[in-house]
Amino acid sequence: AQKITQTQPGMFVQEKEAVTLDCTYDTSDPSYGLFWYKQPSSGEMIFLIYQGSYDQQNATEGRYSLNFQKARKSANLVISASQLGDSAMYFCAMREAYQGAQKLVFGQGTRLTINP
Amino acid sequence: GAGVSQTPSNKVTEKGKYVELRCDPISGHTALYWYRQSLGQGPEFLIYFQGTGAADDSGLPNDRFFAVRPEGSVSTLKIQRTERGDSAVYLCASSATDRADTQYFGPGTRLTVL
Repeated sequence: AQKITQTQPGMFVQEKEAVTLDCTYDTSDPSYGLFWYKQPSSGEMIFLIYQGSYDQQNATEGRYSLNFQKARKSANLVISASQLGDSAMYFCAMREAYQGAQKLVFGQGTRLTINP
Repeated sequence: GAGVSQTPSNKVTEKGKYVELRCDPISGHTALYWYRQSLGQGPEFLIYFQGTGAADDSGLPNDRFFAVRPEGSVSTLKIQRTERGDSAVYLCASSATDRADTQYFGPGTRLTVL
């Protein structure tokens, strides 16, 4: 079973609009972390935002916010006031604490294109 | 530089050859990770080091793959008898400790096996 599911292979958004990228996850571990990374065409994975499973509030970092709905096991990324430079692949990832596992498990990614 | 660096940025080799990929983590980071990203996919975990030791190598696909981190800083991923299916981008990441959550990635090495 997929641990991280990103159901939107591609999204097209007009500049300055807000955009939501979907991510659902599957785990039986009560302690886990959820991440979003951005991968521009240059290839480097850029960390955007982190949400811990015990965090009471949704994480925010500048124009990025994470809509964390624990009961639904979803961790959607919201980008406000999109910019042309936001065009990239976006990956959702999960880190489980089970047995000390440190690895990140990634979804398939969503390609976001911002239109001028 | 302050970030994770990887060399070479591109490597083209012939089937059956041996290759080494190098990762230099962020200074002071004790945890180091290797991932492999095939075209159109998310990165997949290969191996994780805490200090000099491999704490989890469960993602290495077979015994042709090996990684070392002899002094607890720079790491080398070694691939013997390369196959065309090994072609991918190999990403390295580091985190401050093994308890720290955020992994910071390098630019990757694109390996092409002809």
